[in-house]
Amino acid sequence: TQLLEQSPQFLSIQEGENLTVYCNSSSVFSSLQWYRQEPGEGPVLLVTVVTGGEVKKLKRLTFQFGDARKDSSLHITAAQPGDTGLYLCAGKLASYGKLTFGQGTILTVHP
Amino acid sequence: DAGVTQSPTHLIKTRGQQVTLRCSPKSGHDTVSWYQQALGQGPQFIFQYYEEEERQRGNFPDRFSGHQFPNYSSELNVNALLLGDSALYLCASSPGSGANVLTFGAGSRLTVL
Repeated sequence: TQLLEQSPQFLSIQEGENLTVYCNSSSVFSSLQWYRQEPGEGPVLLVTVVTGGEVKKLKRLTFQFGDARKDSSLHITAAQPGDTGLYLCAGKLASYGKLTFGQGTILTVHP
Repeated sequence: DAGVTQSPTHLIKTRGQQVTLRCSPKSGHDTVSWYQQALGQGPQFIFQYYEEEERQRGNFPDRFSGHQFPNYSSELNVNALLLGDSALYLCASSPGSGANVLTFGAGSRLTVL
């Protein structure tokens, strides 16, 4: 059983569409992060959220941490082919705990 | 700043062999974590090294061992390789064991035949 469940696992959309990726758990996290990984590369940190209800924006990407700190979402507006990649959520149960990853969402944006 | 450097980038081994993977952390980082990533999946935590000691460990057998050197670089050793050990092995460094900021290397792609 995955500590962090991501959905959907695969997402194939056309350029210009909007999309949302979800990251859910039954556990409470002290912090949650989103990463993007391209083929042949390691994951690159996009954002860290630590406060329940927190919303952060990074250009066309909007990240939200659930009020109870058990879930998070990533929303992309007007997706572009350059957004294609593996999106990973990752969380820590405690400040000094290990970082646990979800299984990832493979996003493909077609021109 | 070179970031996190891993070697080798690719390697092929046969079942039963042993492998050593190496990682140099980002400048200023003293903590190294190792992850195993199967194709199209999220990384799975193997262990973390800080001050030359294993501080935390994930659900991996004793065949997986590691070491951290005084210059903060690290090695991951896997003995008695199985086909299922084929994966991308990622090293991540951070400024302290509790830091939220992880910088990942590009990984070492291990194929076990």
